[in-house]
Amino acid sequence: GAVVSQHPSWVICKSGTSVKIECRSLDFQATTMFWYRQFPKQSLMLMATSNEGSKATYEQGVEKDKFLINHASLTLSTLTVTSAHPEDSSFYICSAAFWGERSYEQYFGPGTRLTVT
Amino acid sequence: GNSVTQMEGPVTLSEEAFLTINCTYTATGYPSLFWYVQYPGEGLQLLLKATKADDKGSNKGFEATYRKETTSFHLEKGSVQVSDSAVYFCALVYGNKLVFGAGTILRVKS
Repeated sequence: GAVVSQHPSWVICKSGTSVKIECRSLDFQATTMFWYRQFPKQSLMLMATSNEGSKATYEQGVEKDKFLINHASLTLSTLTVTSAHPEDSSFYICSAAFWGERSYEQYFGPGTRLTVT
Repeated sequence: GNSVTQMEGPVTLSEEAFLTINCTYTATGYPSLFWYVQYPGEGLQLLLKATKADDKGSNKGFEATYRKETTSFHLEKGSVQVSDSAVYFCALVYGNKLVFGAGTILRVKS
């Protein structure tokens, strides 16, 4: 099956610093990549949708200047959490999607645990 | 709007018990439906999917049938194992976005 990787798998950073998370589709080209945030014992909250070469579309309530998304190619998207604060601590999950022959296919990365101290 | 409702958990079962996790949806048209599983500390894995009414998705002993008349996509497994303990998410696709249910925690005891 299709594989999506994320790096790093976990990161600890100090308040005020920025952190970059990478999302790669390893064996397919993704039309679209998505970034989600998941709080403990809760469902996934879609943060933004990005298409290669264009600006990301952010969901309501998500600060675009805080969560910078760059979709450099059909296999790579990055999420940068700028000026991180403890409330940004969370589990961030990306997914990569494409339209297959018969249906829409979306595959998820393993997630990145961010802890801001 | 488009939404997914799952039964609340946690669901606690003994090994080899029968599992049902209910999922109903509200949507415009007939979206594709999915079940995803999330093991502790990991991302989501696609468990199974169905793209049209009466389709049955199946994988690893799990099954779900797309029921248009009841707008449901209940997940079932005849005999659960301890290794099935995880969080299960029902979802539909709207445009190019997945809409998730709240997730149901499954705990299987040996």
